[in-house]
Amino acid sequence: KQEVTQIPAALSVPEGENLVLNCSFTDSAIYNLQWFRQDPGKGLTSLLLIQSSQREQTSGRLNASLDKSSGRSTLYIAASQPGDSATYLCAVHEAAGNKLTFGGGTRVLVKP
Amino acid sequence: DTEVTQTPKHLVMGMTNKKSLKCEQHMGHRAMYWYKQKAKKPPELMFVYSYEKLSINESVPSRFSPECPNSSLLNLHLHALQPEDSALYLCASSQDLGQYSDYTFGSGTRLTVV
Repeated sequence: KQEVTQIPAALSVPEGENLVLNCSFTDSAIYNLQWFRQDPGKGLTSLLLIQSSQREQTSGRLNASLDKSSGRSTLYIAASQPGDSATYLCAVHEAAGNKLTFGGGTRVLVKP
Repeated sequence: DTEVTQTPKHLVMGMTNKKSLKCEQHMGHRAMYWYKQKAKKPPELMFVYSYEKLSINESVPSRFSPECPNSSLLNLHLHALQPEDSALYLCASSQDLGQYSDYTFGSGTRLTVV
């Protein structure tokens, strides 16, 4: 059974610092990996999608890497801002069962 | 239109009530999903529809009854719920069940069962 783990569970940084969020998964048979942002009590906003054949994706201040063989992905957020405060979830699209499995999330607080 | 719209945003219902959650998308996506999310936990898959047919039921109790009347609409009918069913219910869609699909989520319905 696929297990997705996110470390750390919570992170607090001063504004301007770079953020590094980690995601690991146990079964490398995945189609893709997607990073989401969730504000309290709200839905999920897709940030980046990395296909299994790709090594990284970039969008603005966000960069996500994927090492499928070692079961790891990292989300980098450059020059953090208070508006980046949210919970960040990674999810793998499993080949077996063809479904999305989420990690527990990293709760980020960026202090002004 | 790149959104998944969920209504209502908030719902309070008694344990003997019958209510429905609605989800709509106009992106031409042919796969739609219901997820349940408890506080401070990740979303958990409940149901998957592909081309309006139920593809996956993650052993969800029968008091939750999904319906996909057409390719743009997904409903979740609720009956005789328990207080522990209180959660954020999220709808999502993707182009299809293929490996290159990414997921678009709605803003959710916050359900409270009293």
